[in-house]
Amino acid sequence: QKEVEQNSGPLSVPEGAIASLNCTYSDRGSQSFFWYRQYSGKSPELIMFIYSNGDKEDGRFTAQLNKASQYVSLLIRDSQPSDSATYLCAVKYNNNDMRFGAGTRLTVKP
Amino acid sequence: SQTIHQWPATLVQPVGSPLSLECTVEGTSNPNLYWYRQAAGRGLQLLFYSVGIGQISSEVPQNLSASRPQDRQFILSSKKLLLSDSGFYLCAWTGSQTDTQYFGPGTRLTVL
Repeated sequence: QKEVEQNSGPLSVPEGAIASLNCTYSDRGSQSFFWYRQYSGKSPELIMFIYSNGDKEDGRFTAQLNKASQYVSLLIRDSQPSDSATYLCAVKYNNNDMRFGAGTRLTVKP
Repeated sequence: SQTIHQWPATLVQPVGSPLSLECTVEGTSNPNLYWYRQAAGRGLQLLFYSVGIGQISSEVPQNLSASRPQDRQFILSSKKLLLSDSGFYLCAWTGSQTDTQYFGPGTRLTVL
């Protein structure tokens, strides 16, 4: 069973704080890991992807992957109200099998 | 650059009516194409994917079907809609050089 689990939230952080979003997956055959942001009523948009263990930084966003623990996270530094959205974790097993978590709803309060 | 289109943006249909949703991709050749459905407050469920013209793989048995009549066109259809078909339908594509999926704007379907 290929499951991707996320805490549904809502996660609320004050403006300027660090938001930490977590995701676990069940299948050790996972190859690629993605974070998408989805605003209400809109389609998901890619934030970043990560393939190797460790951290990957892109601006205010850092993805962290730990394959031994089957855990991937997204840190958002200096959170802004515009970051308020649902964040979807996605895990890819092969070219055509990408599984999505249900998403974590983040609210950044001014 | 690549662009993905979906239409219509919103649709309200009665139970038992047919459905046709269209997705087209511009700026790339031979993309892999995907149809997902997202129910309210839920994650994305993969419905179909296609690696080429006329090649369709179904992930979930249901009353929906998909077709790929042209390289950059992907169509989702139903002969008779059910209430449970309501949701946000998303088309996505990947290219040969990447495994990242990019989504279209989506179609919000309400079946009454």
